[in-house]
Amino acid sequence: EAQVTQNPRYLITVTGKKLTVTCSQNMNHEYMSWYRQDPGLGLRQIYYSMNVEVTDKGDVPEGYKVSRKEKRNFPLILESPSPNQTSLYFCASTIRGTLSGANVLTFGAGSRLTVL
Amino acid sequence: GDSVTQMEGPVTLSEEAFLTINCTYTATGYPSLFWYVQYPGEGLQLLLKATKADDKGSNKGFEATYRKETTSFHLEKGSVQVSDSAVYFCALSDSGYSTLTFGKGTMLLVSP
Repeated sequence: EAQVTQNPRYLITVTGKKLTVTCSQNMNHEYMSWYRQDPGLGLRQIYYSMNVEVTDKGDVPEGYKVSRKEKRNFPLILESPSPNQTSLYFCASTIRGTLSGANVLTFGAGSRLTVL
Repeated sequence: GDSVTQMEGPVTLSEEAFLTINCTYTATGYPSLFWYVQYPGEGLQLLLKATKADDKGSNKGFEATYRKETTSFHLEKGSVQVSDSAVYFCALSDSGYSTLTFGKGTMLLVSP
């Protein structure tokens, strides 16, 4: 089944403890992206990648890192999590490196992160 | 920069009522426009899209028309069902097609 898989789905951690949220897609998609969803703010883009070894900042990149060493994986790294990073995170991908009307995002099921 | 403005929710309707969720946008160039839907506990999925002015996107009884003159992309459905209860997001892809800008989302609650 074609899908975007995120892990973990739920995580409670403490301030300063490094964590990684993994994202993997099995559709050979070029474009991958991370969003965070917060009440009253909708979805905001953290980072995106238009292809392997190509990443760029979205609207809210502070406190996050990403890497794209291989096409299928796009992990989100929180080096030193803080409580304001408590959120619902979504990974998404699409076939081409651009988001034209023909290229629609496929989303993962989400990862709910709580930082105490 | 680009932006999307949606009506705030929740929108509460009875089954078989008519639905409109307003969406307006600000963008340079000629963006593509989308409606995504998020059912409880799930990720977002595409509901419909339109890539140029006057295009009408439609799916599952939902429709939206790309109105360049009013910079709008309102979502409509003639008769909602309980199963339509979800959060609806309007979004646009910028002229460089590198990012999607989302509205804040509108929760729809449909009661029997």
